[in-house]
Amino acid sequence: ILNVEQSPQSLHVQEGDSTNFTCSFPSSNFYALHWYRWETAKSPEALFVMTLNGDEKKKGRISATLNTKEGYSYLYIKGSQPEDSATYLCAFNGNKLVFGAGTILRVKS
Amino acid sequence: NAGVTQTPKFRILKIGQSMTLQCTQDMNHNYMYWYRQDPGMGLKLIYYSVGAGITDKGEVPNGYNVSRSTTEDFPLRLELAAPSQTSVYFCASSYGVLDTGELFFGEGSRLTVL
Repeated sequence: ILNVEQSPQSLHVQEGDSTNFTCSFPSSNFYALHWYRWETAKSPEALFVMTLNGDEKKKGRISATLNTKEGYSYLYIKGSQPEDSATYLCAFNGNKLVFGAGTILRVKS
Repeated sequence: NAGVTQTPKFRILKIGQSMTLQCTQDMNHNYMYWYRQDPGMGLKLIYYSVGAGITDKGEVPNGYNVSRSTTEDFPLRLELAAPSQTSVYFCASSYGVLDTGELFFGEGSRLTVL
């Protein structure tokens, strides 16, 4: 059974704070690491798909890094806004896509 | 472009009843998946398919069946509904799994078994 762990489980920050979450995954049989943003009452939407060790991706105020040798990825949000409130899911692709439990982010204005 | 379409959006079943959740995609994706969302557990993979005629079990397949007769459709069948199958079900598709293919999700189907 593949173990994909996300931490923290939840996070409450003030508007303007920067924050980061961690995704840990197996370091063998790695194909890709996905990050998804999941707003309440909607479907998950892809943020990043990362495949190379050392990869860094950025979309606006959100960025992600990848370390496949040690099996972790960080997601960073700079200057959090209330509209960033969502659950952030990572998924490890090692032939099947296995999701972590997610990090719930709440940004207070 | 409709993307991934799931029906029904909501359903209440009695214990022991059967039903099929429909899923169709119009992106010509090879891979399709069924996930269930349980509180605090994220998304658990029930079944997946790598192409028409091919299906395989995921993490939590017990109590479910699938078929993939066409590229577009991937229905999920519950034969004898149990309260443990109360959940929100998501169908998803991607171009491939052994590449950078992101998943595209349907809007979800909320199933309650009483």
